[in-house]
Amino acid sequence: GAVVSQHPSRVICKSGTSVKIECRSLDFQATTMFWYRQFPKQSLMLMATSNEGSKATYEQGVEKDKFLINHASLTLSTLTVTSAHPEDSSFYICSGGQGASVETQYFGPGTRLLVL
Amino acid sequence: AQSVTQPDIHITVSEGASLELRCNYSYGATPYLFWYVQSPGQGLQLLLKYFSGDTLVQGIKGFEAEFKRSQSSFNLRKPSVHWSDAAEYFCAVGANGNEKLTFGTGTRLTIIP
Repeated sequence: GAVVSQHPSRVICKSGTSVKIECRSLDFQATTMFWYRQFPKQSLMLMATSNEGSKATYEQGVEKDKFLINHASLTLSTLTVTSAHPEDSSFYICSGGQGASVETQYFGPGTRLLVL
Repeated sequence: AQSVTQPDIHITVSEGASLELRCNYSYGATPYLFWYVQSPGQGLQLLLKYFSGDTLVQGIKGFEAEFKRSQSSFNLRKPSVHWSDAAEYFCAVGANGNEKLTFGTGTRLTIIP
């Protein structure tokens, strides 16, 4: 089956620093990648959708200047949390999709971010 | 806009007992429906999905779900749960041509001996 990896799996950083999270599709080409965040005991909330080679589309309420998304290739997307604050601490999950249908969306294992 | 409701926040069942997790959706056309499982600190694993055809869908780990259009439901069932089934379960809805998935708030399943 299709595999998506994320790196790092956990990261702790100081307030004010930037953190980059990588999402890779290992055995397929992800024309679309999605970034979600999940607060403890809550559901996944879509942050943004990115298509390879174009700018990401952010959901309402998500600051695009704070959460920088790059989808430079069909197998790699990155999420950079800039000037991180403790309230950005969360579980970030990416998924990769093929084609134009939800049926081909595969999830990564997630990255736990803790901002001190 | 599509939405998903999982009415049960937390369910506890005995090992070996049957299980049903509820999911209701709101969507104007025929939806694409999914059930995912998430173990603590892990990402999502797809259990099963429904797009069209037979309304009873079989998934992995012995799970099944039934799409009932009249009730706007897609409940997940398992005839006999195992201790390893303890996890968080998410129902999600999507639409063909739109890769956005909308997730329910999840149901936490606890298994007691």
